[in-house]
Amino acid sequence: DQQVKQNSPSLSVQEGRISILNCDYTNSMFDYFLWYKKYPAEGPTFLISISSIKDKNEDGRFTVFLNKSAKHLSLHIVPSQPGDSAVYFCAAVRLSTSGTYKYIFGTGTRLKVLA
Amino acid sequence: KAGVTQTPRYLIKTRGQQVTLSCSPISGHRSVSWYQQTPGQGLQFLFEYFSETQRNKGNFPGRFSGRQFSNSRSEMNVSTLELGDSALYLCASSGRAYPNLDSPLHFGNGTRLTVT
Repeated sequence: DQQVKQNSPSLSVQEGRISILNCDYTNSMFDYFLWYKKYPAEGPTFLISISSIKDKNEDGRFTVFLNKSAKHLSLHIVPSQPGDSAVYFCAAVRLSTSGTYKYIFGTGTRLKVLA
Repeated sequence: KAGVTQTPRYLIKTRGQQVTLSCSPISGHRSVSWYQQTPGQGLQFLFEYFSETQRNKGNFPGRFSGRQFSNSRSEMNVSTLELGDSALYLCASSGRAYPNLDSPLHFGNGTRLTVT
């Protein structure tokens, strides 16, 4: 049961344009969401996060939008740069009352920014 | 501050063998979790340790086990290897007992395991 889905395995965007990466989830009980970026042969690195009580968070060129009614998360990168070419994972986090937590990741979207 | 260190970077094993992977978290981090990454499956949660105790476990068979030492270093063991265990195994640490928005998981570069 894939609770977090990234339906686009890949995306190509011209340098300077906007990149929009999408993520859908099924469980309305997630506490917060994050985006990670992964380069080949490296581990994922944290990019940006958003609480489930917010609908937008911005950090420089990166903005994450959360639409709770649609259970949809998106990452906007403006302007896109060739160095942004990587695989992007969205993750949802559930904090349980038993004192544990779990990150649930999507399958990733490979972004290619064309110079 | 050194990041999360995983050793070895690459491993090739034969079906039926067992393997042990190692993870040293960021200094001061006491929560360590493990993930399996395979093409098309994203990152699948294996287990999480805090202060030498397993707090949470994913949906993997009992062949996958782990432990954490008093210095927070962690090991993951896979016994009776199968071809489907070929994957990138990622370790992550957190500086808080429960990661939050401002203190998320920090990942190592992973161990690439190939089972032949």
